[in-house]
Amino acid sequence: QKEVEQNSGPLSVPEGAIASLNCTYSDRVSQSFFWYRQYSGKSPELIMSIYSNGDKEDGRFTAQLNKASQYVSLLIRDSQPSDSATYLCAVATRTGANNLFFGTGTRLTVIP
Amino acid sequence: DAGVIQSPRHEVTEMGQEVTLRCKPISGHDYLFWYRQTMMRGLELLIYFNNNVPIDDSGMPEDRFSAKMPNASFSTLKIQPSEPRDSAVYFCASSRRQGRAGANVLTFGAGSRLTVL
Repeated sequence: QKEVEQNSGPLSVPEGAIASLNCTYSDRVSQSFFWYRQYSGKSPELIMSIYSNGDKEDGRFTAQLNKASQYVSLLIRDSQPSDSATYLCAVATRTGANNLFFGTGTRLTVIP
Repeated sequence: DAGVIQSPRHEVTEMGQEVTLRCKPISGHDYLFWYRQTMMRGLELLIYFNNNVPIDDSGMPEDRFSAKMPNASFSTLKIQPSEPRDSAVYFCASSRRQGRAGANVLTFGAGSRLTVL
């Protein structure tokens, strides 16, 4: 079983809609969760981090964490064509652990 | 800051040849990571260093791969001999510890795309 699993997509949403990206992880003791965005041909960049159960909002982005279900999600409100990218979920198994396990990513396309 | 600098950006070589990838981390970052990305397996951690010392190399696929960090501003990943299955994008990333995030707020370089024929 992979440590971090994501639906590879592609996920297509119309401009202005909410995009919902999901991720599950296998290690119950995982403590830190991150979403990285990767444009085609570019390198990943961090967009959100979350450590506690519940929601964390940053502009149009909301990360949601449910440790009991071992589930983390990313919502993008008012999706824009510039949000079209691959979104990588990453998990650190212990607080302060310095090696991230990445999912294979979900490719999002926002249709104008 | 120029960010994490990797070279070469593209490398095409023949099976059996030695490949050396280079990385300059961000000044002040004391963690350096080497990742490999393929369509099938996604991003895989190969090895990471803290203060120039290798901490976890469990992701290095086999003895053909080696990595060094002789000083705080330079690291190499070497593949000898190279094989077609090594074809991938190799990313270097650096970070420093930041609260609950630990050292996991990574700044990635642009990557080195390796093709082994």
